[in-house]
Amino acid sequence: KQEVTQIPAALSVPEGENLVLNCSFTDSAIYNLQWFRQDPGKGLTSLLLIQSSQREQTSGRLNASLDKSSGRSTLYIAASQPGDSATYLCAVIGAGSSNTGKLIFGQGTTLQVKP
Amino acid sequence: NAGVTQTPKFQVLKTGQSMTLQCAQDMNHEYMSWYRQDPGMGLRLIHYSVGAGITDQGEVPNGYNVSRSTTEDFPLRLLSAAPSQTSVYFCASSPVGQGGIHEQYFGPGTRLTVT
Repeated sequence: KQEVTQIPAALSVPEGENLVLNCSFTDSAIYNLQWFRQDPGKGLTSLLLIQSSQREQTSGRLNASLDKSSGRSTLYIAASQPGDSATYLCAVIGAGSSNTGKLIFGQGTTLQVKP
Repeated sequence: NAGVTQTPKFQVLKTGQSMTLQCAQDMNHEYMSWYRQDPGMGLRLIHYSVGAGITDQGEVPNGYNVSRSTTEDFPLRLLSAAPSQTSVYFCASSPVGQGGIHEQYFGPGTRLTVT
């Protein structure tokens, strides 16, 4: 059974720091991996999607990498800002679930960026 | 584009009542789904649809019904509300390409309390 783990559960950094959020999954046979951001009381905002054949994706200050063989993905945030404060969720679709679209979510990392 | 919209934002029900959570998307996405988010349990798939007229069960379908008569709308019906259905409900949609389901976009959520 696919399980997704995100460590740490919470992170507090000063503004301007570069930081890395970690995501690990137990079954390397994935269809894709998606990173989301969730602000308190709000919905999920898609940040980056990495297909199983890709190694990384970039959007602005965000860079997500994927290492299927080790079951890991990282989300790198450059020059963090207070507006980056949110919960970041990692989710995978298993290779056998590509027709169901079932996302398996981690518990999230809650990031606080202090001014 | 409005993206994925959900109504209502908040709802309080009494045990045994029924209601429909509305979800609509204006991106002409074939795939739509419903998740519930609970503390400690994360997000779990309730039902999904790969196109108008086609629906299927996800991980936690009991107590919920869905239908998909149009591409745009995917309502979720609670048949007889129970306190265990107190949760935040999210609707999501995605285009379907040659390789399958692509990036998934979530709505703002409906917060449901069953007393």
